[in-house]
Amino acid sequence: KQEVTQIPAALSVPEGENLVLNCSFTDSAIYNLQWFRQDPGKGLTSLLLIQSSQREQTSGRLNASLDKSSGRSTLYIAASQPGDSATYLCAVYNAGKSTFGDGTTLTVKP
Amino acid sequence: GAGVSQSPSNKVTEKGKDVELRCDPISGHTALYWYRQSLGQGLEFLIYFQGNSAPDKSGLPSDRFSAERTGGSVSTLTIQRTQQEDSAVYLCASSSVEGAIDTQYFGPGTRLTVL
Repeated sequence: KQEVTQIPAALSVPEGENLVLNCSFTDSAIYNLQWFRQDPGKGLTSLLLIQSSQREQTSGRLNASLDKSSGRSTLYIAASQPGDSATYLCAVYNAGKSTFGDGTTLTVKP
Repeated sequence: GAGVSQSPSNKVTEKGKDVELRCDPISGHTALYWYRQSLGQGLEFLIYFQGNSAPDKSGLPSDRFSAERTGGSVSTLTIQRTQQEDSAVYLCASSSVEGAIDTQYFGPGTRLTVL
């Protein structure tokens, strides 16, 4: 059974810092990995999708890496802003199912 | 184009009542997923529809839960004889599987409160 772990559970940083969120998964036979953002009381917004054959994806200040063999992914956020405050979820997808981590709640202080 | 929509946005019901939650996926998306997010917990997979294939119901927590997808589009999640532990946000997502690409687009969710 696939298990996804995200560390840390919560993170607070001052504005402008670069930061890394971690995601690990137990079964490396994944189809792809997706990072989401969830704002309080709202649904999920997809940030980046990495296919199993890829090593990383970039979008603006976000960079996600994937090391499938070791079961790890990182989400790097450069020059963090207060608007980045949210819960970040990673999900691994295989055989029609996504397994989500519990998320990392990020607070960026002005 | 419109994203995934869900209705109602909030539902309060009494224990023992049946509820129906609706999901309108993005037009043309062949895959549709239901998830549940309980307070302070992660997302829990419930059920997956892909085209005309039999749905994957392996995540449904009990036989009180069922879902249908009519005409390959709108889906309804039904919870019978609701219990207090059913209180959660129910999220629907759709995706268009193209080769190795599968990005899930989520709706805003339905917040269910069982009194």
